[in-house]
Amino acid sequence: DAGVTQSPTHLIKTRGQQVTLRCSPKSGHDTVSWYQQALGQGPQFIFQYYEEEERQRGNFPDRFSGHQFPNYSSELNVNALLLGDSALYLCASSLLNTEAFFGQGTRLTVV
Amino acid sequence: QQQVKQSPQSLIVQKGGISIINCAYENTAFDYFPWYQQFPGKGPALLIAIRPDVSEKKEGRFTISFNKSAKQFSLHIMDSQPGDSATYFCAAPGFRGGNEKLTFGTGTRLTIIP
Repeated sequence: DAGVTQSPTHLIKTRGQQVTLRCSPKSGHDTVSWYQQALGQGPQFIFQYYEEEERQRGNFPDRFSGHQFPNYSSELNVNALLLGDSALYLCASSLLNTEAFFGQGTRLTVV
Repeated sequence: QQQVKQSPQSLIVQKGGISIINCAYENTAFDYFPWYQQFPGKGPALLIAIRPDVSEKKEGRFTISFNKSAKQFSLHIMDSQPGDSATYFCAAPGFRGGNEKLTFGTGTRLTIIP
């Protein structure tokens, strides 16, 4: 049984560019949450998608947006990249209101 | 949104010893408190979780102790092994009804020495 898979593993982008990160949830899970983990910090909740809609959002600007597809996979988009957006982006899948399982993350570096 | 304070920031324990990491939270309305283990280059993995209707939960060498009145919970790792060297995060729900919408502590880097 495949767990949560994320792509790509690593990514380097230039300031001002846009990036799209992808996540496939664990089999049977219908909810996807995205987190940002800066170096040496705990993950911070960005937002959650359920039934193709954003259900809850953390303290992140509108430059961060997402989408969930009918097969429950999800994308995280970040526009107008800043140097401070450099981080490990984690996707977590779950059934609604149950424990979250994390993927290995996408390491984004903005130069 | 929930705040979670974790200590210590780093911890060095001898092999076979007991590792103890502490967390304090603010909002008593929530009912799910997990600990995650993270190795370098990997995503966090759920280690053990507790609901506040019990004061302690044990799974193998890992125990969560929960003090509802003090709004604190701690992770105890018994017989610590070099393979336990990792970063540990406590967490609490950031929103009502959201066990997967978590607020994490800042992490404890645990090193087990021979």
